[in-house]
Amino acid sequence: QSVLTQPPSVSAAPGQNVTISCSGSSSNIGNNYVSWYQQLPGTAPKVLIYDNSERPSGIPHRFSGSKSGTSATLGITGLQTGDEADYYCGTWDSSLSTGRYFFGPGTKVTVL
Amino acid sequence: EVQLLESGGRLVQPGGSLKLSCSASGFTFSHYAMYWVRQAPGRGLQYISTIINTGAVTDYADSVKGRFTVSRDNSNNMLYLQMSRLSAEDTAVYYCVKEFSVGAPVWHFASWGQGTLVTVSS
Repeated sequence: QSVLTQPPSVSAAPGQNVTISCSGSSSNIGNNYVSWYQQLPGTAPKVLIYDNSERPSGIPHRFSGSKSGTSATLGITGLQTGDEADYYCGTWDSSLSTGRYFFGPGTKVTVL
Repeated sequence: EVQLLESGGRLVQPGGSLKLSCSASGFTFSHYAMYWVRQAPGRGLQYISTIINTGAVTDYADSVKGRFTVSRDNSNNMLYLQMSRLSAEDTAVYYCVKEFSVGAPVWHFASWGQGTLVTVSS
């Protein structure tokens, strides 16, 4: 069971905007950077966002990340059919004695 | 271009052992921490292990600590994961992952291999 919470699914029509939430606590999101990963069907994950809001080179500006308190959000503007994928947040959690990295359970984005 | 190519996944019996390999190219392997992340069929991602660039320090998720050993051969740009006492819960695709920045690991999973499937079943 993950220390992070994501909605199981979100859906929207092409061209619309969607947001995916990732909720945690002070031991993880509240005091650590959040990353977001996209996993297209049948492929390996790919990083979309790191350090809460930074985009690696090659990631379109349609993808954005933000963090407030113990929650983080991934935004996708101008949704495209190629955005249908599973999206995972991830961050360090220091609640255990040695800390660990955790991924959220994932959110499936469906383009209607 | 960064390339990570995992190999070694196969069907193994419960209680058995298996060693996964990851061949790295397209970057200076010895400068980067590396990770293993796994994904059970139809499930989410799970962090498994970290090894720093020199190999001197390693880290494991509680679920595999004492059973899995990560190592690297910087001379040959290879990452390994030795797995023992395998159970059905270890059935997953195992991904080799490169750190984003040189030096100490900051858990930025920048580049992923295509994964190798390990199936634990009798």
